[in-house]
Amino acid sequence: GENVEQHPSTLSVQEGDSAVIKCTYSDSASNYFPWYKQELGKGPQLIIDIRSNVGEKKDQRIAVTLNKTAKHFSLHITETQPEDSAVYFCAASGTGTASKLTFGTGTRLQVTL
Amino acid sequence: EADIYQTPRYLVIGTGKKITLECSQTMGHDKMYWYQQDPGMELHLIHYSYGVNSTEKGDLSSESTVSRIRTEHFPLTLESARPSHTSQYLCASSARGRETQYFGPGTRLLVL
Repeated sequence: GENVEQHPSTLSVQEGDSAVIKCTYSDSASNYFPWYKQELGKGPQLIIDIRSNVGEKKDQRIAVTLNKTAKHFSLHITETQPEDSAVYFCAASGTGTASKLTFGTGTRLQVTL
Repeated sequence: EADIYQTPRYLVIGTGKKITLECSQTMGHDKMYWYQQDPGMELHLIHYSYGVNSTEKGDLSSESTVSRIRTEHFPLTLESARPSHTSQYLCASSARGRETQYFGPGTRLLVL
């Protein structure tokens, strides 16, 4: 089955700096890669996703890059703000009715003033 | 924002009690999931369903059971709660043919 590794497990950045979270996956058949943000006391919320036919996707201050050859994908947050502080999860999935998401172990991001 | 609801949000209960955690979604999604999330953050899939009358066990063994009698409803039951069941339980759903999962707010369970 799929295995997703996520690094780092904790990340502290100063407000205004950039944050990068990296994930690797094992199953070359995976072709859907979402990122979720989980704030304290809430369930994970989808913030951005990418499919294997795209190398990069941006949405305002967040971007995701995908290297299918190396089986790497990364989340980039620029101009970090205190409200970016949360736990971030990457995930990978194939397609089809039976597909399920395999999640990374999470990264706790702390944005300090 | 996804329309998926979980009740109760918090539950403190004694050992040996039977409990049911409720999960409902109004999006008409065929697929629904239950995850267990420990303080260490990791999400562990414990049950999923591809539609009415379909239930499957997930990657993490769990003593809980689930049922899917209606599309919108996917309750999780613990027949006899134990302290080892203390955790956060997250419900999610996704549409047929789509991989994106939408999560509810979670139920935080404490078994004394």
